[in-house]
Amino acid sequence: QVQLVQSGAEVRKPGASVKVSCKASGYTFTNYAIHWVRQAPGQRLEWMGWIKVANGNTKYSQKFQGKVTIARDTSASTAYMELSSLTSEDTAVYFCVKDPGGSSSWEYFDYWGQGTLVTVSS
Amino acid sequence: EIVLTQSPGTLSLSPGERATLSCRASQSVSNSYLAWYQQKPGQAPRLLIYGVSSRATGIPDRISGSGSGTDFTLTISRLEPEDFAVYYCQQYGGSPPYTFGQGTKLEIK
Repeated sequence: QVQLVQSGAEVRKPGASVKVSCKASGYTFTNYAIHWVRQAPGQRLEWMGWIKVANGNTKYSQKFQGKVTIARDTSASTAYMELSSLTSEDTAVYFCVKDPGGSSSWEYFDYWGQGTLVTVSS
Repeated sequence: EIVLTQSPGTLSLSPGERATLSCRASQSVSNSYLAWYQQKPGQAPRLLIYGVSSRATGIPDRISGSGSGTDFTLTISRLEPEDFAVYYCQQYGGSPPYTFGQGTKLEIK
């Protein structure tokens, strides 16, 4: 069955960076895009960006341009999301999610990772 | 950016009753690209509906979606205990960002 397993919770100080991993299994990793969505306390879900796993092309929300980097390692069936220049407003649960589209992204999400809590605190 | 507004914020109903959740967009959603998700405490969201009215794999037919343009509805015809959760709508398919509503909490009365 399809699974997305994320790395564990992280605590960082303001100004630092964090990198979250997302290991996929149960499907052909290179055939589907991976997106990242975050959920800050009391806030709505927020789409951050996505990567077309087959060729590594990325697209980011304008809000996160320059702050987030999404990458993948096809040999490890793993996607990564790195967030830099952290502030307290980046405290949130970060989800990797699978796009059900094949060669083209459909931009809704059929499978979700379990989420990774990133806490930014001095 | 398309802003999605869900109503009501909280809906209190009893098992067996019918639930109607609303999602209104600030501008027309292209090609009816509207999805619904269910989230229970401590869990990731789960896809229920995509393309306004298509049920995801394993979703029972008592859960349905409808609407067009800027007004969309998720209906649960007969509430089961496992349906009490938070529900989010999401628009996609046009230009990013792909946005979510603020959620409707469905609680047991």
